[in-house]
Amino acid sequence: DVKVTQSSRYLVKRTGEKVFLECVQDMDHENMFWYRQDPGLGLRLIYFSYDVKMKEKGDIPEGYSVSREKKERFSLILESASTNQTSMYLCASKRPGAHEQYFGPGTRLTVT
Amino acid sequence: SQQGEEDPQALSIQEGENATMNCSYKTSINNLQWYRQNSGRGLVHLILIRSNEREKHSGRLRVTLDTSKKSSSLLITASRAADTASYFCATDDTGGFKTIFGAGTRLFVKA
Repeated sequence: DVKVTQSSRYLVKRTGEKVFLECVQDMDHENMFWYRQDPGLGLRLIYFSYDVKMKEKGDIPEGYSVSREKKERFSLILESASTNQTSMYLCASKRPGAHEQYFGPGTRLTVT
Repeated sequence: SQQGEEDPQALSIQEGENATMNCSYKTSINNLQWYRQNSGRGLVHLILIRSNEREKHSGRLRVTLDTSKKSSSLLITASRAADTASYFCATDDTGGFKTIFGAGTRLFVKA
């Protein structure tokens, strides 16, 4: 059974804190993605990685960075959390050339 | 920018009825996908239809694609309370790395 896990389901952080969101997949997928989901806006791509140590900016990378040191793990970093980063964060993975993405359960982050 | 836009934004039906959701997109596509998201969870892939296909079935799901109108529809027949979820259409960009999701249709099936 394929699996994508995220380190936390719910997270509350203060403005200015550095925040780490972790994602791990057990499917040996090369491609991994970080999205944020906000009501009425659907999913917006923050960053993606098509292989270890490779990363590409998505549509809304400002205020975020990522790390991919191992194939199975893709981390999203909020360097200095702000209230407008309160959102649901979803991680996904897929094989190169495939279309179906496998999603984690999401992390609901609240920045106060 | 959103490639896929779903219509309606929300839909409420009785159990046993059919539910139809529509998706419109802007640019040429190679394929279109539909995903489901249960409340507070991640998305689950439902079905993919290629640009040279007009209709595809999977269980109680029927997807149509009209490339001339740049639109797709997802029909769920004989709906169940467990079908209550948000449904998203998605298309791949030309590079194939990125998938662009619409804002989704929220379906509520009343028992």
